[in-house]
Amino acid sequence: GDSVTQMEGPVTLSEEAFLTINCTYTATGYPSLFWYVQYPGEGLQLLLKATKADDKGSNKGFEATYRKETTSFHLEKGSVQVSDSAVYFCAPGVALSGGYQKVTFGIGTKLQVIP
Amino acid sequence: EPEVTQTPSHQVTQMGQEVILRCVPISNHLYFYWYRQILGQKVEFLVSFYNNEISEKSEIFDDQFSVERPDGSNFTLKIRSTKLEDSAMYFCASSERPEDYGYTFGSGTRLTVV
Repeated sequence: GDSVTQMEGPVTLSEEAFLTINCTYTATGYPSLFWYVQYPGEGLQLLLKATKADDKGSNKGFEATYRKETTSFHLEKGSVQVSDSAVYFCAPGVALSGGYQKVTFGIGTKLQVIP
Repeated sequence: EPEVTQTPSHQVTQMGQEVILRCVPISNHLYFYWYRQILGQKVEFLVSFYNNEISEKSEIFDDQFSVERPDGSNFTLKIRSTKLEDSAMYFCASSERPEDYGYTFGSGTRLTVV
């Protein structure tokens, strides 16, 4: 069935370090791919998205490229800040019959950035 | 920016009682969802709703659960006869076109069953 594999955390980085959070997925068809972020005590926010192969989603300095050949959507940021401390969820959209789509969430990777 | 609104933010209920979690999706959205997140665990899909009917539900969404869109603006999740293991954060989400825009989530209702 459809699934998503996301690197387990927690990930602890110093401010200004480079971040990579790996994500691979299995899905039928060509799902849209999303990263969501959950800041402490808050709900889920869409961070970025890519809807087709080779698309690069970007937002707030974060990037992820839709790699169809490796079924991956790794999240990267060149220089993290303390304010980036949160849980990050890789979330492929799974196509359902009738054209609907359901987003399936990875386990989440907790990122802690220390000054 | 439009928001998905969930009420209450926190609900405490006794085991065996019924609860109704309320959501007001973004007004022009057509697709609606409920997810839950048990503390420290993954975000789990419960149900999706489109065109006034359930389009998909998970194994978790058994006969104890039901959803309604009673008045064209609210979207409710009812849990009959709550169990201790129903304690979780419940998130409502809506979307205009999920494959293009993803979902907009509400801030959640923390349900505590005692």
